[in-house]
Amino acid sequence: KQEVTQIPAALSVPEGENLVLNCSFTDSAIYNLQWFRQDPGKGLTSLLLIQSSQREQTSGRLNASLDKSSGRSTLYIAASQPGDSATYLCAVRPDFGNEKLTFGTGTRLTIIP
Amino acid sequence: ETGVTQTPRHLVMGMTNKKSLKCEQHLGHNAMYWYKQSAKKPLELMFVYNFKEQTENNSVPSRFSPECPNSSHLFLHLHTLQPEDSALYLCASSQDPTPGLFFGSGTQLSVL
Repeated sequence: KQEVTQIPAALSVPEGENLVLNCSFTDSAIYNLQWFRQDPGKGLTSLLLIQSSQREQTSGRLNASLDKSSGRSTLYIAASQPGDSATYLCAVRPDFGNEKLTFGTGTRLTIIP
Repeated sequence: ETGVTQTPRHLVMGMTNKKSLKCEQHLGHNAMYWYKQSAKKPLELMFVYNFKEQTENNSVPSRFSPECPNSSHLFLHLHTLQPEDSALYLCASSQDPTPGLFFGSGTQLSVL
């Protein structure tokens, strides 16, 4: 059974710093991995999706990497801003045509002005 | 309206009440999902509907009853819930098999 872990559970950094969020998964047979952002009491917003054949994806100040063989992904946020404060979740999809994602518990990020 | 819309945003109900959660997607997708998010636990997949047919029931208690009348609407009927059912219930949609899941804002449910 696939398990997804995100450590740390919470992280606080001063504004302007670069930071890395971690995601690990136990079964490397995945189709893709997706990073989401969730604001308090809200739904999830997709940030980046990496296919299993890819090594990284970039969107603005965000860069996500994937090392499938070691079961790890990172989300790099450059020049952090207070608006980046949210919970970040990663999720893995097992195979093609199957959107039954397995989620991590998330990292709650606070950017200190 | 665009995206995935859920109503109500907040719901408080007693254990003997019957209520329904509603989800509507305006993305033309063919699959819809119910997820449960409890405090400090990963999102749990509850139900999956593909072309209005239920393709997944993840061992969910019968006090939760889904309904998908068409590919744009999804309901979750609730009856005789327990306090431990209090959680954020999230609806999502996708265009299977294209990867990518789109979520609504959720219904925060409190069972007293």
